[in-house]
Amino acid sequence: EPEVTQTPSHQVTQMGQEVILRCVPISNHLYFYWYRQILGQKVEFLVSFYNNEISEKSEIFDDQFSVERPDGSNFTLKIRSTKLEDSAMYFCASRQTGEGIQYFGAGTRLSVL
Amino acid sequence: DQQVKQNSPSLSVQEGRISILNCDYTNSMFDYFLWYKKYPAEGPTFLISISSIKDKNEDGRFTVFLNKSAKHLSLHIVPSQPGDSAVYFCATTRGGGAQKLVFGQGTRLTINP
Repeated sequence: EPEVTQTPSHQVTQMGQEVILRCVPISNHLYFYWYRQILGQKVEFLVSFYNNEISEKSEIFDDQFSVERPDGSNFTLKIRSTKLEDSAMYFCASRQTGEGIQYFGAGTRLSVL
Repeated sequence: DQQVKQNSPSLSVQEGRISILNCDYTNSMFDYFLWYKKYPAEGPTFLISISSIKDKNEDGRFTVFLNKSAKHLSLHIVPSQPGDSAVYFCATTRGGGAQKLVFGQGTRLTINP
């Protein structure tokens, strides 16, 4: 069964460093998303991406964040200068056009020290 | 952001009995509703969904009920099995565009043998 894959599963970084979280969405999906879940809190939307551009972003997704689909298969989230409060689980999701079901990867746990 | 609320952080049910998980929403523009199940160290897994034109959708042991006038949905699992022990999230979205998901806080369901 097709699935969304995310790497790495755990990323440890120093505050102020850049990190890139990687995702391979399901191959025939057209919409791509990043969500995050801070420990003990809700899963919250960061950004959606369609047709090679950002469709919507939340207030969390400030200038320190960027997304890219560098080729036909990968979808990346970059945090330019990490802060302690960026520590969270980051989930990538994708969906086909026409249906509302989003399929999630297993997540990347980002720990900023 | 309290657009989607799951008021029970946890629920404990005897194996074989019915589990009922509840979710309330505030925005009447939401028109598609989903339930996700999440195990530790995994991403949310889609379980069942319902569109606002329906009031019930059934898939095996899982049934989702939607009460639009009360802005309330519920997930019924019957009979409950030990493997159902997980955190359950309700999520909603508006039709059209990139359709970001708005999640509730989650309910931890424990099925006791």
